[in-house]
Amino acid sequence: AQSVTQLGSHVSVSEGALVLLRCNYSSSVPPYLFWYVQYPNQGLQLLLKYTSAATLVKGINGFEAEFKKSETSFHLTKPSAHMSDAAEYFCAVSKNNQGGKLIFGQGTELSVKP
Amino acid sequence: GAVVSQHPSWVICKSGTSVKIECRSLDFQATTMFWYRQFPKQSLMLMATSNEGSKATYEQGVEKDKFLINHASLTLSTLTVTSAHPEDSSFYICSVRERQPTTRAFFGQGTRLTVV
Repeated sequence: AQSVTQLGSHVSVSEGALVLLRCNYSSSVPPYLFWYVQYPNQGLQLLLKYTSAATLVKGINGFEAEFKKSETSFHLTKPSAHMSDAAEYFCAVSKNNQGGKLIFGQGTELSVKP
Repeated sequence: GAVVSQHPSWVICKSGTSVKIECRSLDFQATTMFWYRQFPKQSLMLMATSNEGSKATYEQGVEKDKFLINHASLTLSTLTVTSAHPEDSSFYICSVRERQPTTRAFFGQGTRLTVV
């Protein structure tokens, strides 16, 4: 069985500060991991995905995530937060790299203070 | 532009009525579509997998007779919430997966259902 745990339902940072959103996974098979962003009343947008090609994955809007098998983690980071980054972020795991049937974490709401 | 169109974006209905939500793939043919449900302050939960031309596969705990899914064409899947109750109020999101070889997945903008 696969599962995802996001530590912290809400994270608040100042504009320009480092963003760190935590995600730990559990999987009995090699996982494919995804980060999605959801703006209010909108669908999900793929930020980045890990498909075993490289452990450090760069995504859109300056986000990146590092897959650490020893820690079963896939934390999302961004060096400098922007006001427009305020949104809900979801980590997800899948058994394949197609991103279709996904198991999501509970989400982390990111607030950015001016 | 949008790859997946979901309609309506929000709907309010009376308890006991049925509501149909459409999910359209705009740019490509989708053999597989997924329906998720998101309760307030919670994560998305997969409800069912919709396959074109065949019956949908429902996740455990999801009532197939209450949540009717029809994937009649390669660009359209519909979710009908039958005899809706207030506890069905939620945010419903569809996801569309391309055909081979890329098989990328894209999400609709979601439908906010409120049952009063």
